[in-house]
Amino acid sequence: GQNIDQPTEMTATEGAIVQINCTYQTSGFNGLFWYQQHAGEAPTFLSYNVLDGLEEKGRFSSFLSRSKGYSYLLLKELQMKDSASYLCAVHSGNTPLVFGKGTRLSVIA
Amino acid sequence: DADVTQTPRNRITKTGKRIMLECSQTKGHDRMYWYRQDPGLGLRLIYYSFDVKDINKGEISDGYSVSRQAQAKFSLSLESAIPNQTALYFCATSGRLNTQYFGPGTRLTVL
Repeated sequence: GQNIDQPTEMTATEGAIVQINCTYQTSGFNGLFWYQQHAGEAPTFLSYNVLDGLEEKGRFSSFLSRSKGYSYLLLKELQMKDSASYLCAVHSGNTPLVFGKGTRLSVIA
Repeated sequence: DADVTQTPRNRITKTGKRIMLECSQTKGHDRMYWYRQDPGLGLRLIYYSFDVKDINKGEISDGYSVSRQAQAKFSLSLESAIPNQTALYFCATSGRLNTQYFGPGTRLTVL
């Protein structure tokens, strides 16, 4: 089976940087996804990592270490609109994505 | 126009009623999924389909059934709704790269 862990909640200040961690245990790893979900809305795709290292996309970056079963999502220059849940999801074999329970981020002034 | 649509967006029903939630997509994807989301439990997979002739149970399929009427349509049925099926339901699609794209969700309340 698969196990995905991420913190339940985080709080950060507007303008700051926050790092949301995700650890996973799986076999047949293919890649790792990050999604953003605002309350009551659908999850939306943020990033995909298949190789080790950092992928940067504007204010958001995602890092993967396959040997450690570890990823993080880095959000820079936080804005109030970044308050949302962030879901880590792992793709293995030929099965659907398995999602973590999500990290609810609150950005405060 | 939205690529993945779900109907209805909200539904209130009574225990024992049969309910159908519908999902349509214009992304041309072969793969479609149904999830439910409950506070604190994250997204849980109910059923998925990798093509029109393929149906697979997910983590929590009991009490649910699905039909893949066409490449673009995947419906979820609750044969006899019960209160603990009150949740937010999402349909999603993916292509070969496995990035999933979600519909707007259906909020279902079973009284």
